[in-house]
Amino acid sequence: GAGVSQSPRYKVTKRGQDVALRCDPISGHVSLYWYRQALGQGPEFLTYFNYEAQQDKSGLPNDRFSAERPEGSISTLTIQRTEQRDSAMYRCASSSQGPHTEAFFGQGTRLTVV
Amino acid sequence: SQKIEQNSEALNIQEGKTATLTCNYTNYSPAYLQWYRQDPGRGPVFLLLIRENEKEKRKERLKVTFDTTLKQSLFHITASQPADSATYLCALVQASGTYKYIFGTGTRLKVLA
Repeated sequence: GAGVSQSPRYKVTKRGQDVALRCDPISGHVSLYWYRQALGQGPEFLTYFNYEAQQDKSGLPNDRFSAERPEGSISTLTIQRTEQRDSAMYRCASSSQGPHTEAFFGQGTRLTVV
Repeated sequence: SQKIEQNSEALNIQEGKTATLTCNYTNYSPAYLQWYRQDPGRGPVFLLLIRENEKEKRKERLKVTFDTTLKQSLFHITASQPADSATYLCALVQASGTYKYIFGTGTRLKVLA
């Protein structure tokens, strides 16, 4: 596609529900990253993939968070048993060849847990 | 502990002046350092990348310097314009380990007409 696409743009969910956030990276991009961004802060790293392999998940806050990229393209970030503290902007980015190339960010998914 | 620090206070400058933003890091050994611009409600957009063995990089009105001894990068916008008003983020990628982008907190720049 023309850019990184995330869906949904906004998600309101009740505490305790599971949510799945989707990221469709730029076609052909090898690396895909998930970040969480609080208002007035920089993006906080969660996890990233090269192709379908999850290279680093050190930023996932706890085991309620997981991510997958089964075919090396679209990725899903899943949060189980959501809590109010999970409310944030979740951003996905992709890059063509890794760290010496730029990251392209999507518009983000604003998650609100009520 | 590992930290990437940018000016937390907003920077206000007059149109036409040069804006200088600072990115300091602690306990990282970056191979690459990047600068991004972020407008309200939007994702970050890439501006410039500088490698650990480069001292300076320029692109139009933008200049980035990288001092691995001081553990600091400076980002300059010359002849600033109100349209340059945004939040600017630095991001580094380590020379070893996994190649993730680690972002600073960002500095909000406001260029006054």
